[in-house]
Amino acid sequence: IAGITQAPTSQILAAGRRMTLRCTQDMRHNAMYWYRQDLGLGLRLIHYSNTAGTTGKGEVPDGYSVSRANTDDFPLTLASAVPSQTSVYFCASSEAGTQYFGPGTRLTVL
Amino acid sequence: ELKVEQNPLFLSMQEGKNYTIYCNYSTTSDRLYWYRQDPGKSLESLFVLLSNGAVKQEGRLMASLDTKARLSTLHITAAVHDLSATYFCAVDAVGGYQKVTFGTGTKLQVIP
Repeated sequence: IAGITQAPTSQILAAGRRMTLRCTQDMRHNAMYWYRQDLGLGLRLIHYSNTAGTTGKGEVPDGYSVSRANTDDFPLTLASAVPSQTSVYFCASSEAGTQYFGPGTRLTVL
Repeated sequence: ELKVEQNPLFLSMQEGKNYTIYCNYSTTSDRLYWYRQDPGKSLESLFVLLSNGAVKQEGRLMASLDTKARLSTLHITAAVHDLSATYFCAVDAVGGYQKVTFGTGTKLQVIP
């Protein structure tokens, strides 16, 4: 069982470019989340989805979009990357509240 | 707005010693979580605390919840080097899992 996979593992991106971070889970959890982790700030919720077909904004949604076409996949798109989006991005899914995290994507925007 | 504060932010302790990490939160909550993160790794669930007075233990770690004080503690007994990691508490706001708010984390360093 893979749990949650994320791709790519890391990426260096020029400012202004479009980027999609991929997240796939095989646990059939309804709820999924995207967080960014920055030093000294902990984890901040970007977007979430309670179930396939629905999404919602978290604490820091600006500059990011998500879609949830099916239960397993929850991609995060940066339409036009900016240096302040340099961070480690974690995808998670949850069952009865407990969240299960992917391995993360380290994104650097230059 | 739900705020979650942890202290200390950084803790350096010797092996064999006991210590407690504190997690305070600002509004009524349904449940509280503790996670562990090793350097460069993802987060791993440690405990879920669901009610006032809840206590859970796993090895040298024990977590408790006081919903009236809006306080959770993570107690470390006789620390060992393998416990070195960053520990996060997270709180559900009443009304849904999507409102989970994380504390900024406590970086624990256990010195042999």
